[in-house]
Amino acid sequence: GENVEQHPSTLSVQEGDSAVIKCTYSDSASNYFPWYKQELGKRPQLIIDIRSNVGEKKDQRIAVTLNKTAKHFSLHITETQPEDSAVYFCAALMYMEYGNKLVFGAGTILRVKS
Amino acid sequence: DSGVTQTPKHLITATGQRVTLRCSPRSGDLSVYWYQQSLDQGLQFLIQYYNGEERAKGNILERFSAQQFPDLHSELNLSSLELGDSALYFCASSVATEAGVQFFGPGTRLTVL
Repeated sequence: GENVEQHPSTLSVQEGDSAVIKCTYSDSASNYFPWYKQELGKRPQLIIDIRSNVGEKKDQRIAVTLNKTAKHFSLHITETQPEDSAVYFCAALMYMEYGNKLVFGAGTILRVKS
Repeated sequence: DSGVTQTPKHLITATGQRVTLRCSPRSGDLSVYWYQQSLDQGLQFLIQYYNGEERAKGNILERFSAQQFPDLHSELNLSSLELGDSALYFCASSVATEAGVQFFGPGTRLTVL
């Protein structure tokens, strides 16, 4: 089946600490894994992504790691700031007969306490 | 700003009615996707169009339909509305050469009373 599981559902950290969100996917054909940040009432915003030909990607304070064998990928945010507070969604690209779609995890509410 | 536009921002209507949501993709993007976001179902894929053709379908209700026009804008039609159709509806667009990289519009918040 097609499923993306995301943990934890909520995460509270102190400003300056690191935050880690983990996802697992079921479709072994998936080869693209984006992460989106969504603030209340706003659009999901693509913050980082990774393709299956690499194991890790970094962009300033954000990094994503991928373990294809175990079918899991993680988002790491270092030196968290209050403006990092939002809902974060992982997703996996799934291919269909003539097209594709993103299957999203249920989301993680990240609260950064100052 | 992702470059994807959606209208209207908010829509309040009654059960049984029909509404049309509109989306314009980023310049140069041929693919348009529609997603529904509700509190209990999360972000759910509805349908994908590519250059005017339907390419993929998710768990889209028969009461819902969509199309993509020659100028690449897309419309999502929701009919015989029910209370449970209240949700945020997002469209996203993607360029063909980067499979999966989708940029979301600001969404339309639909409230069915």
